[in-house]
Amino acid sequence: AQSVTQLGSHVSVSEGALVLLRCNYSSSVPPYLFWYVQYPNQGLQLLLKYTTGATLVKGINGFEAEFKKSETSFHLTKPSAHMSDAAEYFCAVSPRGGADGLTFGKGTHLIIQP
Amino acid sequence: GAGVSQSPRYKVAKRGQDVALRCDPISGHVSLFWYQQALGQGPEFLTYFQNEAQLDKSGLPSDRFFAERPEGSVSTLKIQRTQQEDSAVYLCASSGPTGSNEKLFFGSGTQLSVL
Repeated sequence: AQSVTQLGSHVSVSEGALVLLRCNYSSSVPPYLFWYVQYPNQGLQLLLKYTTGATLVKGINGFEAEFKKSETSFHLTKPSAHMSDAAEYFCAVSPRGGADGLTFGKGTHLIIQP
Repeated sequence: GAGVSQSPRYKVAKRGQDVALRCDPISGHVSLFWYQQALGQGPEFLTYFQNEAQLDKSGLPSDRFFAERPEGSVSTLKIQRTQQEDSAVYLCASSGPTGSNEKLFFGSGTQLSVL
């Protein structure tokens, strides 16, 4: 069984500030972890993924996430927020590395204050 | 096509009506997925096809839900005798072309409202 918990349904940061979106997972097998972003009226887009190897994963648009097995976490960060980052962000876990069997979190709505 | 296309974009149905939602995946993509996203929730898996074969339908919430992909490309999700709890955004995603499922490409979804 696997599940994802995203802490905070809404996160608000000022433009230029650090973005931190939290994700904790539970999985009975070594997990594969994903972050997706959903802009208004658009489909979900893959931001980044962790499968094996380096635990710090870099994605698109300056985002990165670090897999911490001891904390069962995969938090998403970006050093400096931009207005265009305002969107819904979803963390997801898969037991097999592929998209079949993906379990999504409930999402975090990121608000950027000017 | 350039991306995953879903139609209609919006659908309003009266309770008890049947609806059919269409998904055109990216050309050549082997795998196709349907997800249901309720308001304020993350997407929840419904069913999965590899070519025309439905390999997993464990997420379909009831026998009123039926999906098909007869020629291994376009897929249709059908909901019979719609209920208010069926109101959600239905997302389609595809991946491939080699069968690799590492990256999903999502459509914009069909927003279903059952009155």
